[in-house]
Amino acid sequence: EAGVTQFPSHSVIEKGQTVTLRCDPISGHDNLYWYRRVMGKEIKFLLHFVKESKQDESGMPNNRFLAERTGGTYSTLKVQPAELEDSGVYFCASSQGGTYNSPLHFGNGTRLTVT
Amino acid sequence: GESVGLHLPTLSVQEGDNSIINCAYSNSASDYFIWYKQESGKGPQFIIDIRSNMDKRQGQRVTVLLNKTVKHLSLQIAATQPGDSAVYFCAENPRKGAGNMLTFGGGTRLMVKP
Repeated sequence: EAGVTQFPSHSVIEKGQTVTLRCDPISGHDNLYWYRRVMGKEIKFLLHFVKESKQDESGMPNNRFLAERTGGTYSTLKVQPAELEDSGVYFCASSQGGTYNSPLHFGNGTRLTVT
Repeated sequence: GESVGLHLPTLSVQEGDNSIINCAYSNSASDYFIWYKQESGKGPQFIIDIRSNMDKRQGQRVTVLLNKTVKHLSLQIAATQPGDSAVYFCAENPRKGAGNMLTFGGGTRLMVKP
């Protein structure tokens, strides 16, 4: 089966610009997550979709970040306007079930650099 | 790779030796723990998991040990191979049954010397 795919793999933008990251989960996985690692920090949870619904967005840092999952398939994460501290690697992950015995499958991430 | 700027503890082992990677977790309410392996340029890859009602679980060449008393998790890799070189993360799920909103540790870099 195809894994979780993310696009683009790298993005370099200027402060104040907008960037949209895309994630295609494994087919049939209802649960989709966004995580990120900013420079020098641990990987942190951002939000969780079940199908097209946001189940938990408690990790979203502020209202400059907007995640969508229209139709319950792929997801986008938009950062507008981008700030320097948004630089890092953004990971998407999906799972079939919600937790136990349904481990997360991660994509290779999008490395975002804000200059 | 993604680890630039993040100071990681490093474990260096000889090929064929056993490796033990340790992790201290923070939340005594966590009931599910996972080890991930991350190679350069890739996302974290699931290795093995364990629930809090167990203290040991074995996979292929890997064993996870859980000590809830001291909130400690370890990953043992038998007969370490060059392909095992990567960054290893432990993760905990502090929200019982409520999805995979994981809290990750800082990671340990494993270097295997041929």
